[in-house]
Amino acid sequence: TQLLEQSPQFLSIQEGENLTVYCNSSSVFSSLQWYRQEPGEGPVLLVTVVTGGEVKKLKRLTFQFGDARKDSSLHITAAQPGDTGLYLCAGVGSGGSNYKLTFGKGTLLTVNP
Amino acid sequence: DAGVIQSPRHEVTEMGQEVTLRCKPISGHDYLFWYRQTMMRGLELLIYFNNNVPIDDSGMPEDRFSAKMPNASFSTLKIQPSEPRDSAVYFCASSYWGQGVNEQFFGPGTRLTVL
Repeated sequence: TQLLEQSPQFLSIQEGENLTVYCNSSSVFSSLQWYRQEPGEGPVLLVTVVTGGEVKKLKRLTFQFGDARKDSSLHITAAQPGDTGLYLCAGVGSGGSNYKLTFGKGTLLTVNP
Repeated sequence: DAGVIQSPRHEVTEMGQEVTLRCKPISGHDYLFWYRQTMMRGLELLIYFNNNVPIDDSGMPEDRFSAKMPNASFSTLKIQPSEPRDSAVYFCASSYWGQGVNEQFFGPGTRLTVL
């Protein structure tokens, strides 16, 4: 069974601060996705990283895929209250299981004004 | 497009009752997924369909759970009989594999409470 561990589980910061959250696994994934989920809604895809060592930027968010494709990080610069939400990483399997996502339990981020 | 539609948004029932959750995927999507989310276990895949055919139901917890997809625009997840430990938020998601990217679009979820 492929497991994804996310840390920290909870994070509360002030507006303007920087933060990094992590997603780690002992398994290799063909790609990895990051989703954000707001209260009362379903997760929404932010980014997919595919190549080991890949870095993608989405405005103030920077996503990195580890060289061995087992881990990933999400860095937010100058966090804003609108960034508040549950951040989920999801590993995409390979071969016949590449339609299945394995989700971590998430990091609940609160950005205080 | 209206996105993935789920109903009801909230369901409160008593132990032993039958519960049916409904999902309308995004038109044109050929994959449909049912997930369950709890604080303890996070987001878990229960079952998924491709072109209305169940492909993998290994995540379905017990025989009390069943899912159907009679056509491309409708799916149900049924729990009979329901138990308090089934309380969770149930999500339906759909995707289109044509572009080779596994982006799943989630519905707003059904919050189920079994008393």
